Amino acid sequence: AQTVTQSQPEMSVQEAETVTLSCTYDTSESDYYLFWYKQPPSRQMILVIRQEAYKQQNATENRFSVNFQKAAKSFSLKISDSQLGDAAMYFCAYRSGFYNNDMRFGAGTRLTVKP
Amino acid sequence: SQTIHQWPATLVQPVGSPLSLECTVEGTSNPNLYWYRQAAGRGLQLLFYSVGIGQISSEVPQNLSASRPQDRQFILSSKKLLLSDSGFYLCAWRGLAGGRGQFFGPGTRLTVL
Repeated sequence: AQTVTQSQPEMSVQEAETVTLSCTYDTSESDYYLFWYKQPPSRQMILVIRQEAYKQQNATENRFSVNFQKAAKSFSLKISDSQLGDAAMYFCAYRSGFYNNDMRFGAGTRLTVKP
Repeated sequence: SQTIHQWPATLVQPVGSPLSLECTVEGTSNPNLYWYRQAAGRGLQLLFYSVGIGQISSEVPQNLSASRPQDRQFILSSKKLLLSDSGFYLCAWRGLAGGRGQFFGPGTRLTVL
């Protein structure tokens, strides 16, 4: 079974600096998708960024980028120029295949941004 | 644009009482719909998903059930709540472009006393 591991329960970063959140996953599949979701205090889950496993290029969305290491099964999230509004729980998620309905989530990393 | 609604936002129910949580999606047709539960300080656990009206798949055997009476409506129910049913319940949808990921509603906080 596929598992997603986030080894950092909590992280903190100074405003305007850069932070990297780690995520590893275990799978024997070759076709899969990886996601990072943000859950602010409102608890609404917001999709931050996604990566298709067949793409070698790392995904980027404004200040958010990923470091996708397929061989190492690693999918880290880098937040540049951190802002106070980035403070939230961040969840890494995995889904195998395009039509699969089973998305697996990690336990989350709580990010604190210090002013 | 697509939007997803859940209600109620919060709910406090006694043990043994019934439950009905509703989720509706606007701006899309034939979405895949999902119910997740998030225990305090934990990740998300997939409870049910549906690929069409009347089609329900259960991921975890439990005290809950789901129904999809209309294309864009997904309901989570229980006949008798347990204390362990307390948690944060999230509904999500996904369109045909599956690679885009799932989009979540605002959630319902359920407390069973």
